Amino acid sequence: AQSVTQLDSQVPVFEEAPVELRCNYSSSVSVYLFWYVQYPNQGLQLLLKYLSGSTLVKGINGFEAEFNKSQTSFHLRKPSVHISDTAEYFCAVYNFNKFYFGSGTKLNVKP
Amino acid sequence: DTAVSQTPKYLVTQMGNDKSIKCEQNLGHDTMYWYKQDSKKFLKIMFSYNNKELIINETVPNRFSPKSPDKAHLNLHINSLELGDSAVYFCASTQGQFTGELFFGEGSRLTVL
Repeated sequence: AQSVTQLDSQVPVFEEAPVELRCNYSSSVSVYLFWYVQYPNQGLQLLLKYLSGSTLVKGINGFEAEFNKSQTSFHLRKPSVHISDTAEYFCAVYNFNKFYFGSGTKLNVKP
Repeated sequence: DTAVSQTPKYLVTQMGNDKSIKCEQNLGHDTMYWYKQDSKKFLKIMFSYNNKELIINETVPNRFSPKSPDKAHLNLHINSLELGDSAVYFCASTQGQFTGELFFGEGSRLTVL
């Protein structure tokens, strides 16, 4: 079965600093990759996705992610975070008709 | 208009009771899912329906029974509730079996006392 690993359960960062949230997946076959964001007491919303093509994917709110097939990684980055980016971030893989989610990374942006 | 709506948003009940959560989507999608999010935020798929037909049934106790009366609705009924059923249950939908995005409801927080 597919597994998705988010190495950091919590990432504290100061406002306007850059951030990287890490994600690795287990499958070596073709996969589709996603980052979702969950604000408190809300459902998940899509930030960005990689289906094919350019390995650098840009999403909403200034986020981007890079697909690295050799390292089976799909790390999420933002050059300058804002207080409003405080949320839980989930990496997900679509394979074999299912979405598999990582355990989430809580991004805590401090003033 | 909410794209994927779930009711109720909060549910508090006693062990042994039976409860239902309803989900409706107005996106015209034909695939719907139930996910369970535990206290550690881990999201696990439970069921998936495509055009009212069950296509994914993970190893979920048979106390959980999904029902899809039409492709816009997917309900979840839980019998004989246990403490471990306490979680947030998310309904989600997507067009076809895969188009690249899941649309989530806001979740239903179930607390079993």
